[in-house]
Formats: sequence, structure tokens, C-alpha cells
Amino acid sequence: EIVMTQSPATLSVSPGERATLSCRASQTVSSKIAWYQQKPGQAPRLLIYGASTRATGIPARFSGSGSGTEFTLTISSLQSEDFALYYCQQYNWPLTFGGGTKVEIK
Amino acid sequence: QVQLQQSGPGLLKPSQTLSLTCAISGDSVSNDNAAWNWIRQSPSGGLEWLGRTYYRSKWYNNYALSVRSRITINPDTSKNLVSLQLNSVSPDDTAVYFCARVEGSSGHDWFDPWGQGTLVTVSS
Repeated sequence: EIVMTQSPATLSVSPGERATLSCRASQTVSSKIAWYQQKPGQAPRLLIYGASTRATGIPARFSGSGSGTEFTLTISSLQSEDFALYYCQQYNWPLTFGGGTKVEIK
Repeated sequence: QVQLQQSGPGLLKPSQTLSLTCAISGDSVSNDNAAWNWIRQSPSGGLEWLGRTYYRSKWYNNYALSVRSRITINPDTSKNLVSLQLNSVSPDDTAVYFCARVEGSSGHDWFDPWGQGTLVTVSS
């Protein structure tokens, strides 16, 4: 099973600043990475798939990069609605998720 | 657009059977270009894929090793829904349970959309 490790666990950022979230795989996953956003009491929402392709309706301030074992989700200018939990997921079998990064207001 | 509406009881006693349903609108459970998944989220926030069902000329299922001996996922074509059963639950099964769709061919296993989630608590 591929273990996904996200860092940091918590990221404190001021509105308007850039946020950079990391996800590391215990072995190569090619570009088979998705990113999700989750707000309290809600289901996760797909942001990115294929490591860098934004899902339908996702603002351009969200971008994904990386391949192999190291991946990054960047939020270029944090808006108030972006403060949330973020998860990565690799989709080689068996599917696994990272432990999440909480983006909080600084 | 596709919407998934979950239902089912939220409180169980140890050894009972967890039963949830996920009603699909805007798509068909028999769509041969989709798969219907169950995922759970522990109280600490960790996400765990549990299993899926999908139709490719016939029905297939895949289950996570961690629950394989206790889980059944079934489609209901008459009601256009997918169900989850998890037998012999314990407090370790306390979690929020989500259904979610995977669209596309094999290898496109990201989840979109998700159901609203159902909190299931196992306690004596």
C-alpha cells in the first residue's frame, strides 16, 4: 500500500497570501494524484486530478504540480472561502489518501 | 448535474450491521463508464476507501482488504441507488461514511461528486 504524507499538518496564512501544500508518496505514483478541499460538516470537493488538471469550476488560483513522489498544491492568493482542510489522494491500487493539511487564518 | 443523497441510521451497537444507501440522480448506477464507491472518514480525519461496484457488461465489486470479510456493496437498478452493508461493527467503525462516483475508464479513480456524508456511531 502506498502511504501518502502531507505537510505541514497546519498552515497559517494571511488572506491574499500564497499557500503551498505538500504531499509525498512512499513510492512513485506517476501523476495519479488528486487534491480535495473539505470544509467543516461537508464532503470533500475535488480540486485537482492528474496532479495538475483543475476540476470543473475550480478557480485558477488553485494549481497542482509534481510527479513521481513529490506533489504540491498551490493557492496563489488565499480567499476567505479557501480556509479549509486539504487532502491528497493517489489512485494506483489500492487507493489511499494523505492525512490532510489544515489551512487556517493567520 | 450528478447528485448523491445518502440515508441510513446513525447509531449502532457493537456486532450490528451498518446499512446505508446512496440515491443517484443525474446518472445511472448502471452507467458503464462510472463506478460507485464508499469511503469513510474517521473521527481523527483520516479517509479510507472501502469499496466499489460498477457495471461493465456485468457487475463487479472491489473491496478494501481491511473490511473485505465484512462488507457488501450492491447496486439497486430499480431505485438507481447503491447500498453499503458492513457486518459485525465495532467502535472502530465509528466514522462519517461517504458515497462517491468515479467517472471514466480504469485509471481515472478520483472521486467526484460525493454524497453529503452520514455519521455512524457504534456504541453500546
